[in-house]
Amino acid sequence: GQQVMQIPQYQHVQEGEDFTTYCNSSTTLSNIQWYKQRPGGHPVFLIQLVKSGEVKKQKRLTFQFGEAKKNSSLHITATQTTDVGTYFCAKNYGQNFVFGPGTRLSVLP
Amino acid sequence: DVKVTQSSRYLVKRTGEKVFLECVQDMDHENMFWYRQDPGLGLRLIYFSYDVKMKEKGDIPEGYSVSREKKERFSLILESASTNQTSMYLCASRDPVGTKHFGDGTRLSIL
Repeated sequence: GQQVMQIPQYQHVQEGEDFTTYCNSSTTLSNIQWYKQRPGGHPVFLIQLVKSGEVKKQKRLTFQFGEAKKNSSLHITATQTTDVGTYFCAKNYGQNFVFGPGTRLSVLP
Repeated sequence: DVKVTQSSRYLVKRTGEKVFLECVQDMDHENMFWYRQDPGLGLRLIYFSYDVKMKEKGDIPEGYSVSREKKERFSLILESASTNQTSMYLCASRDPVGTKHFGDGTRLSIL
């Protein structure tokens, strides 16, 4: 009940290609957060989604919350080498947030 | 900007030693967390604290304890370090809107 699943675990793309990572939960979520961790760095908060069907954009990043509030996606358009890192989703669980296992993105120049 | 500071970036200790990892945040956040991060396993919660002197076990508390004597400081203690505790340790605090702010991490090696 606590876990969130993320797919894929790894993704290698050519620079300029699009990338999507998916986050799934077996239970309805009150909200979902996304974090990015650059190689050698620490996770950094990107965004929080709260409403069913919500779509938010940050430049080339598009975040979506499913209608049933059980899944979420992060889509990057025309990846750049600066997008390299691991992307985590996190769901609220009591006082804590439970992190997904992350999707590691490699961008080949 | 929120600042979460971990006392050491890299640490090498020996098996059986008692190890202290310190974390300080400067934004008066009530909730603080300790995670370890291992390849293929993501972020796993060890302990968290929602107030001074309050602590809750996370998913993998065995072999660890914590201390929260002051609001700004949350310490992780390895009572008797073992090689399977070699890992990256990340401290985080949570702001009132729920965002987590992480420290730079401590890469701990137990020999």
